[in-house]
Amino acid sequence: QQQVKQSPQSLIVQKGGISIINCAYENTAFDYFPWYQQFPGKGPALLIAIRPDVSEKKEGRFTISFNKSAKQFSLHIMDSQPGDSATYFCAATRGVSGTASKLTFGTGTRLQVTL
Amino acid sequence: SQTIHQWPATLVQPVGSPLSLECTVEGTSNPNLYWYRQAAGRGLQLLFYSVGIGQISSEVPQNLSASRPQDRQFILSSKKLLLSDSGFYLCAWSYPSGQINEKLFFGSGTQLSVL
Repeated sequence: QQQVKQSPQSLIVQKGGISIINCAYENTAFDYFPWYQQFPGKGPALLIAIRPDVSEKKEGRFTISFNKSAKQFSLHIMDSQPGDSATYFCAATRGVSGTASKLTFGTGTRLQVTL
Repeated sequence: SQTIHQWPATLVQPVGSPLSLECTVEGTSNPNLYWYRQAAGRGLQLLFYSVGIGQISSEVPQNLSASRPQDRQFILSSKKLLLSDSGFYLCAWSYPSGQINEKLFFGSGTQLSVL
């Protein structure tokens, strides 16, 4: 059973535009929601993350919006650049002290930013 | 600073042959270690994780096994590869259990093709 649903599967945005990727989760025990960025042939790297005590977190051009009641969160990339072209994964986990992290990942969104 | 090394980058193996992928982490002690598999359109699937030497937890039944012979070494193995074992394999680490360890740090991955 997929616990984190991500959409769209692919996205094409013009340079300077806003890229929006959405995720929905089912497990209300999740309390940590990161986004990972992956370039072709590379491993994913943590981009930005949020905890459910806030509704928004911004780091530079990247913003996570979080809606706890709807069990949804989204990544917004403002002023999208060709260098942002990558695959983006949302993820979620329940932080439990004394155990390993077991992130549940979405299926990924391939973003292409055109000139 | 911490670094993670994963090799080989690409591997082509015949069906029925053995497999050994190795991952090492530098710059940290007693990390949690993970093996993920990435298949197109299916996101990142956690295969194994380890919280210490000799301690391996399997997330999904499969043709693969993992071992942790040293604190910062994690090995993914198979005695006989299947076609369905093809994919992009990622090693990752996080801080030890008991610390804030939701963040995963990924290696650069191994693209395995079983023919």
